[in-house]
Amino acid sequence: AQTVTQSQPEMSVQEAETVTLSCTYDTSESDYYLFWYKQPPSRQMILVIRQEAYKQQNATENRFSVNFQKAAKSFSLKISDSQLGDAAMYFCAYRRLAGGTSYGKLTFGQGTILTVHP
Amino acid sequence: DAGITQSPRHKVTETGTPVTLRCHQTENHRYMYWYRQDPGHGLRLIHYSYGVKDTDKGEVSDGYSVSRSKTEDFLLTLESATSSQTSVYFCATSAGQGNTEAFFGQGTRLTVV
Repeated sequence: AQTVTQSQPEMSVQEAETVTLSCTYDTSESDYYLFWYKQPPSRQMILVIRQEAYKQQNATENRFSVNFQKAAKSFSLKISDSQLGDAAMYFCAYRRLAGGTSYGKLTFGQGTILTVHP
Repeated sequence: DAGITQSPRHKVTETGTPVTLRCHQTENHRYMYWYRQDPGHGLRLIHYSYGVKDTDKGEVSDGYSVSRSKTEDFLLTLESATSSQTSVYFCATSAGQGNTEAFFGQGTRLTVV
């Protein structure tokens, strides 16, 4: 079974600064997908960024980028130019490749609460 | 945003009573999921469905059952609620597997007293 670990229960950053959230995972599979979700106080789950394991290039979405280290099974999220609206709980998630018994199930980490100070 | 509606949004119930949570989607997505969110555990999969009347257990399925009689509705039932089932419950849907985005409902906060 796959496991996802977020070892930072809480992180904080000053507005306009950069912060990196850590995520490690364990899997015996060679191809899979990784995601970062944001959960603001409204509880809504919002997809921030996704990475295909077979792609060497790190995914980027505006101020959000990932550092994907496949051999180390590490998938960190970097938020540049942090904004007050970035304050939320962030979840790292793993999904198996399509097919077989995958059914699109997601395995989540424990979450990291990000506080942004003005 | 995908049209996913969970009902109720909040519920307080007594230990031992049955509870049903409803997830309704308007996107015609094939796959539907129920997760629970607890501090220190993130979201954990309870049950999932890969088609009408096709369901299976997730990692924390004890004490829960599900039904999916129509594409748009996925019901989660707590047969006899316990305090350990106090949690926030999320429904999610996906049109496909792999890289396809999963969409989440707003969550239901359930308190068992």
